[in-house]
Amino acid sequence: SYDLTQPPSVSVSPGQTANITCSGHHLADNFASWYQQKPGQSPVLVISQDTKRPSGIPERFSGSNSGNTATLTISGTQPIDEADYYCQAWDSSTVVFGGGTKLTVL
Amino acid sequence: VQLLESGGNLVQPGGSLRLSCAASGFTFSHYAMSWVRQAPGKGLDWVAAITGSGGSTYYADSVKGRFTISRDNSKNTLYLQVNSLRAEDTALYYCAKDGEYFDANFDFWGQGTLVTVSS
Repeated sequence: SYDLTQPPSVSVSPGQTANITCSGHHLADNFASWYQQKPGQSPVLVISQDTKRPSGIPERFSGSNSGNTATLTISGTQPIDEADYYCQAWDSSTVVFGGGTKLTVL
Repeated sequence: VQLLESGGNLVQPGGSLRLSCAASGFTFSHYAMSWVRQAPGKGLDWVAAITGSGGSTYYADSVKGRFTISRDNSKNTLYLQVNSLRAEDTALYYCAKDGEYFDANFDFWGQGTLVTVSS
């Protein structure tokens, strides 16, 4: 089965840039998406198809995907961005999620 | 867009349930749909997907042969029949709206329905 690996946790100071990585074999051959999930809430799509930002998602969220690694970048991180973040890949017949990264803003 | 799941319950190992997801606010038949689950304190786990017409279905290996995804476009409702339940199937089950094709861009999620498998 295809595995996606994320760091369990990332810490960032308010106003700084947070980078959350997602690693998988030849990940760039598949589209990567990113979801934000706050405690007690349903996931929210923040990046689709590697780099697309859905309507309503702040511009500080961006994505990239190259080689074996996809990256979610949050520029000017705000306290409200503290959440769990999941990467996800799709290959026409199956969907895989990464294990999730807890972003702490302190 | 609104997705409202129901049907979750406490069930014994080996038991069955039918989960439902009532959709509104968009043309249901035009979009693929998926079920995604989340065990307590754990990450997201994709379960199954179905195309807008219902003509194609896709399953995670862990549920293949035990779970069946279906939809009734006349009722704007998505279903998941879960059979031969195991303790490891205990989770909050979300339905998620996809794009016009099954391409795993889940842009709207319901609030989930809880399935607990225990004797």
